[in-house]
Amino acid sequence: AQKVTQTQTSISVVEKTTVTMDCVYETRDSSYFLFWYKQTASGEIVFLIRQDSYKKENATVGHYSLNFQKPKSSIGLIITATQIEDSAVYFCAMRGPSNTNKVVFGTGTRLQVLP
Amino acid sequence: DPKIIQKPKYLVAVTGSEKILICEQYLGHNAMYWYRQSAKKPLEFMFSYSYQKLMDNQTASSRFQPQSSKKNHLDLQITALKPDDSATYFCASSQETVISNERLFFGHGTKLSVL
Repeated sequence: AQKVTQTQTSISVVEKTTVTMDCVYETRDSSYFLFWYKQTASGEIVFLIRQDSYKKENATVGHYSLNFQKPKSSIGLIITATQIEDSAVYFCAMRGPSNTNKVVFGTGTRLQVLP
Repeated sequence: DPKIIQKPKYLVAVTGSEKILICEQYLGHNAMYWYRQSAKKPLEFMFSYSYQKLMDNQTASSRFQPQSSKKNHLDLQITALKPDDSATYFCASSQETVISNERLFFGHGTKLSVL
């Protein structure tokens, strides 16, 4: 069974700095997909960035980037130049191959960006 | 305009009663999902449907029954409600492809409180 673990429950940083959120996963699949989502204070859940397991290059979208370390089953999210509005809960998620469309989420990391 | 509509936004129910949570998506997606979020188990996968057919079911209790009357509808019927069912229920959708790396789009959720 697939499993996603986020051990950091809460992180506080000063704005304009860089933060890294950790995520490790477990799977027996040779091909899989890793995602990060953000849940704002209003409860809205939005997709941020994706890493396909067969790609060696780390994905980057805007000020979000990933640190994909496949041998360690790790997919960290890096946010550079953080802003107050980045304060939210960040979820790591994983999906297996096409015979299932189940997406499993981690427990989330709450990020607080301080002025 | 919201592309995934969940009704109602808030719902209060009495223990033992039955409720139906409504979800409609206007993104043209062929896959829909239900997730449950509570303090105990953040973003817990419940069901996934693809082309109106059940793909995955991670809900042990038969009190939870998804219903798909149309391609863009996936309602959730909950019977014999218990206080432990209190949570926010999120509907999501995605456009399934052979690669199966598509992101999820979430509705704003229905917050259910069972008294």
